Amino acid sequence: EVQLVESGGGVVRPGGSLRLSCAASGFAFDDYGMSWVRQAPGKGLEWVSDINWNGYITKYADSVKGRFTVSRDNAKDSLYLQMNSLRAEDTALYYCARDGSYGWDWGQGTLVTVSS
Amino acid sequence: QSVLTQPPSVSGAPGQRVTISCTGSSSNIGANYDVHWYQQLPGTAPHLLIYGNNNRPSGVPDRFSGSKSGTSASLAITGLQAEDEADYYCQSYDSSLNGWLFGGGTKLTVL
Repeated sequence: EVQLVESGGGVVRPGGSLRLSCAASGFAFDDYGMSWVRQAPGKGLEWVSDINWNGYITKYADSVKGRFTVSRDNAKDSLYLQMNSLRAEDTALYYCARDGSYGWDWGQGTLVTVSS
Repeated sequence: QSVLTQPPSVSGAPGQRVTISCTGSSSNIGANYDVHWYQQLPGTAPHLLIYGNNNRPSGVPDRFSGSKSGTSASLAITGLQAEDEADYYCQSYDSSLNGWLFGGGTKLTVL
């Protein structure tokens, strides 16, 4: 069974930084691309970033480009999202997801709140 | 324009059929990228409902079906049940954005 467990969320001041982690299990982590998707309170889903299986190819939504960095450690079956220069509009539940042509599998999310 | 458009809400009585549309453009659905559909029950993470336009993962009832034509896709739900009340999202890749798109979401209310 695919399991994705996010951690690292919390409350941070505008301009601050936070690093999210996603621990994967139940599948061959290094066979899959991975993504981060966020959902602001009461809003819809917004794709944030993704990374291919070996970490060589990364993509970002325009809203986070230059501020967020996605990475992975295949030896630890883990995905990361380094978030810098955080803004109030980055407040959201951040989901880790396993990419795939057969649809995505999702974690339960970790909440990031940017507030002074 | 790189956006997937869904109706904000749909409703139906128990046992009825409803459809949810997802309208894209030539850089996403119209470019032959697959459409996936997700169900998000209140307070939970999204859950895969339909993949590759019209395929159901194991465990998803055959009351749920997907279709795609041109620059649009649709999710149909037959025999509506109270537990179908949720938010539904379509997803596709966009070549102009070089990234993934989600529709704005549709809230299904079972009357």
